Amino acid sequence: QVTLRESGPALVKPTQTLTLTCTFSGFSLSTTGMCVSWIRQPPGKALEWLARIDWDNDKYYNTSLKTRLTISTDTSKNQVVLTMTNMDPVDTATYYCARTTIRAGTSSGMDYWGQGTLVTVSS
Amino acid sequence: SYELTQAPSVSVSPGQTARITCSGDAFPKQYAYWYQQKPGQAPVLVIYKDNERPSGIPERFSGSSSGTTVTLTISGVQAEDEADYYCQSADISGTPNWVFGGGTKLTVL
Repeated sequence: QVTLRESGPALVKPTQTLTLTCTFSGFSLSTTGMCVSWIRQPPGKALEWLARIDWDNDKYYNTSLKTRLTISTDTSKNQVVLTMTNMDPVDTATYYCARTTIRAGTSSGMDYWGQGTLVTVSS
Repeated sequence: SYELTQAPSVSVSPGQTARITCSGDAFPKQYAYWYQQKPGQAPVLVIYKDNERPSGIPERFSGSSSGTTVTLTISGVQAEDEADYYCQSADISGTPNWVFGGGTKLTVL
């Protein structure tokens, strides 16, 4: 049974750095083809893909946010960590992590998602 | 930056067919993925690789592609299908720069 769960602060101040952790079970990020992404959704708005880390430690970022994002993994703990620097009120959103499987170079979609964690940026 | 364009809303009566479109310059070179999101819930993958249906997704959900437009079709719409639907794909830069469309609110009248 695949599960993912996001954790992190509910409130951060402007200019601070946000650190979110995705703890997953039911699969291993060391298995060929496994990937974990972060996605966010401001209240009442659309989804926005942020970053992805793959089984081979390749990392990919939203080009518009690349300078602020870092994604990493602790395979021994089955965790993926996202940091976002210089937080602003416009970054207020629900942040999700999700699993993807890559087969023959092609994504099978984000098939399992966490329940999301709401992060509010305010002084 | 690359964009996927969806109509903000679609309305259908129960039992009718709903068609939700998504336009993007990278289609058909890139695959499309569709997600259903109900209020207060995480998104659910309903179509992957243009027209593949994950296990557990009802057969009334189908996907198709024509030129630079992809379409999610829901046949015999049910009240429980009322939700936001998002398409997702990638640009053609060669790196996985994934993008979501703006979402379409499906209302079942």
